[in-house]
Amino acid sequence: EPEVTQTPSHQVTQMGQEVILRCVPISNHLYFYWYRQILGQKVEFLVSFYNNEISEKSEIFDDQFSVERPDGSNFTLKIRSTKLEDSAMYFCASSTLAGSYNEQFFGPGTRLTVL
Amino acid sequence: RKEVEQDPGPFNVPEGATVAFNCTYSNSASQSFFWYRQDCRKEPKLLMSVYSSGNEDGRFTAQLNRASQYISLLIRDSKLSDSATYLCVVNLGGNKLVFGAGTILRVKS
Repeated sequence: EPEVTQTPSHQVTQMGQEVILRCVPISNHLYFYWYRQILGQKVEFLVSFYNNEISEKSEIFDDQFSVERPDGSNFTLKIRSTKLEDSAMYFCASSTLAGSYNEQFFGPGTRLTVL
Repeated sequence: RKEVEQDPGPFNVPEGATVAFNCTYSNSASQSFFWYRQDCRKEPKLLMSVYSSGNEDGRFTAQLNRASQYISLLIRDSKLSDSATYLCVVNLGGNKLVFGAGTILRVKS
């Protein structure tokens, strides 16, 4: 069964450093998403991406965040200058179509720890 | 008011029990509704979509009441493997999923 993959599974970084989290969405999917989950809290939407553009973003997704699809398979989330409060599990998701009724498939997540 | 509200639990039930989870959402414009399951430190996985007519998948039954902005999930004949956090999820019409904080279920033998 096709699945979303993410690397690394765990990233430890120092405050102020840049990190890039990588995702390989399911191959025939066209819509891509990032969510985050701070330990013990709910899953929160960060951004959705289609046709090489951001289609929607949340208040959390400020100027220190960016997303990119550098080639035909990878989808990345960059955090420019990490803060302690960026420590969280980051989930990538993808879907075939947009819209309310289309299932989003989640990857296993990258645990980001900012020291 | 939280966008999606759930009783955090935990619900501790014996194997074979029937357990029900409730969820309320604040935005009446919400278009689609889901229950996801999340195991400890794992990704959310879709359990089932929720329709106004109600829908059933094996031991799981989901109901939606748009007038009351209320969603429910019923699990019959609970198994040990049902132990997880159950997430109520709402889509307002775009691509953004809004998650509740989850309800913890522990099924014990």
